[in-house]
Amino acid sequence: DVKVTQSSRYLVKRTGEKVFLECVQDMDHENMFWYRQDPGLGLRLIYFSYDVKMKEKGDIPEGYSVSREKKERFSLILESASTNQTSMYLCASSQDGDSYEQYFGPGTRLTVT
Amino acid sequence: LAKTTQPISMDSYEGQEVNITCSHNNIATNDYITWYQQFPSQGPRFIIQGYKTKVTNEVASLFIPADRKSSTLSLPRVSLSDTAVYYCLVGGAYSGAGSYQLTFGKGTKLSVIP
Repeated sequence: DVKVTQSSRYLVKRTGEKVFLECVQDMDHENMFWYRQDPGLGLRLIYFSYDVKMKEKGDIPEGYSVSREKKERFSLILESASTNQTSMYLCASSQDGDSYEQYFGPGTRLTVT
Repeated sequence: LAKTTQPISMDSYEGQEVNITCSHNNIATNDYITWYQQFPSQGPRFIIQGYKTKVTNEVASLFIPADRKSSTLSLPRVSLSDTAVYYCLVGGAYSGAGSYQLTFGKGTKLSVIP
């Protein structure tokens, strides 16, 4: 069974802290994604990775960075968390090819106080 | 960048067919249209994907007109368990040209009434 896991379901951090959100997929997928989801705004792509050590910016990359050292793991980093980064963060993966079917993790609800 | 527009919410009675339309006027030639379903406290789940004309699978149909500026997700005979938020996604393959373009709609909250 296809699985995308995220390190935490809920996380509370203080303003200015460095935050790491981890995502692991067990499907040997080439592509991995980080989104944030906010009420009324839907899902917005932060970063995309199509291979190990490769990344591309999405629609809202400001304030975030990513790391992909291994194919199965994609990390989202908030260098200095701010209150406007309080959100639900969703990780997804997909296989290369004609289908763009993405498999999503359960999400991490991050609160920055 | 393809912008997508969907109705915010819809209500339907059990057993009815539901059609949710997504507008995407600026869709690019290599963009596919994908629909996802999301329940509370879960990540979105893939429903169906298409490029043009009609696609059908065991849970839904997707209708895409020739100009591809809109798409309609059709759910036959909905049940209470179909109550969820439905998102359309417009995007294509990674081209290596820079930032990756993927646009989710803001979602349509479908409420199925007994």
